[in-house]
Amino acid sequence: QPVLTQSSSASASLGSSVKLTCTLSSGLSTSIIAWHQQQPGKAPRYLMKVESSGSYNKGSGVPDRFSGSTSGADRYLTISNLQFEDEADYYCETWDSNTRVFGGGTKLTVL
Amino acid sequence: EVQLLESGGGLVQPGGSLKLSCAASGFTLSSYAMRWVRQAPGKGLEWVSSISGSGGVNTHYADSVRDRFTISRDNSKNTVYLQMSSLRVEDTAVYYCSKGHGGSWTDSWGQGTLVTVSS
Repeated sequence: QPVLTQSSSASASLGSSVKLTCTLSSGLSTSIIAWHQQQPGKAPRYLMKVESSGSYNKGSGVPDRFSGSTSGADRYLTISNLQFEDEADYYCETWDSNTRVFGGGTKLTVL
Repeated sequence: EVQLLESGGGLVQPGGSLKLSCAASGFTLSSYAMRWVRQAPGKGLEWVSSISGSGGVNTHYADSVRDRFTISRDNSKNTVYLQMSSLRVEDTAVYYCSKGHGGSWTDSWGQGTLVTVSS
């Protein structure tokens, strides 16, 4: 079963940039992952999928400030020009033929 | 626009049963894999179950719910279901219906329905 590892928390100042990391377990470095945002009290929202090549495709309406990238087994979500509404929990997701896994989530605080 | 609307949540005693529904609109339900994902209070997202699309009937379950939960779909009613039985206190969570991008990532979420298992 795949495993995704995320830092539990991150913080950055308003208007700055932050890079969140999702690390795939051994043997899964070629896997695609998806990033989801969950603002306080709301349902999750799909942000983008990120491939092992580093290419990414965003969901409808996701601001240009959000981007994805890859390095080895790490998949990144970068948010530039941070806004207060970006304060949320961010989850990565991957899957294999029989199961689906979410990372533990990163709680992002905008200072 | 894709819309997923869950219903059927509520308070149930341990050992009881509950059936959740997810009404889908804005896309052809039969063509897409659908999933249920839950979130216990203050916790992260946990995948519960998936059902294949494109006419397939493959189903998959997390170990924590296998043999207790059953996922199904009625394409004529544009609805996905989650039948939950032998409910436990630890099944207490908000249950989200979600749509798959093919058999891959999740690309749409419902607003969730709360299931509370308590005596």
